[in-house]
Amino acid sequence: DVQLVESGGGLVQPGGSLRLSCAASGFSVSNNFMSWVRQAPGKGLEWVSVIYRDGTTYYADSVRGRFTVSRDNSKNTLYLQLSSLRTEDTGVYYCTKTGGPWDWGQGTLVTVSS
Amino acid sequence: QAVVTQEPSLTVSPGGTVTLTCGSSTGAVTSGHYPYWFQQRPGQAPRTLIYDTSINYSWTPARFSGSLLGGKAALTLSGAQPEDEAEYHCLLSYSGARWVFGGGTKLTVL
Repeated sequence: DVQLVESGGGLVQPGGSLRLSCAASGFSVSNNFMSWVRQAPGKGLEWVSVIYRDGTTYYADSVRGRFTVSRDNSKNTLYLQLSSLRTEDTGVYYCTKTGGPWDWGQGTLVTVSS
Repeated sequence: QAVVTQEPSLTVSPGGTVTLTCGSSTGAVTSGHYPYWFQQRPGQAPRTLIYDTSINYSWTPARFSGSLLGGKAALTLSGAQPEDEAEYHCLLSYSGARWVFGGGTKLTVL
């Protein structure tokens, strides 16, 4: 069975950084498209980034230049490096196996506040 | 960037039928947008209901169906059950490897 477990969320000050991890099991992250999606408190979903099988990456306009998606094939883990964080980046961050039916993790909460 | 629109809220009676829609600011929604529908219950992660316009995921009850209707993607629920009360999110794929979510529809079964 596909399983995705996010970690690394927490409280960080504006301008700070954080690295989120997504440990995958039941499939290989290197052979699939993988995305990050976030949800601000009480709001809808926002697609954040994707990494393709060949390593190509794309980002939403709101995070381009500040966030970086990567993966470690040996650990079967996806990462999202968050930098220059703003209060509006607060929310639950979900890791997803993308393409065909999306599979979702349970999410990790990032709170950007002073 | 494209804007994807959904009804903010809808109400359906138990056993009734309701259609949720998903429109695009760039024009008609087509199969090339690979429309997705996700269900999210309070406090839970989203889960896939429908993908590629009309394909039900393995767990999706048969009372849910996806289609294209009047230039929009549509999710029809026939025979609503109390457990169908949830937020429903649509997702469209655009060129340049961009995905855009709609604002979500809060469905009440009452």
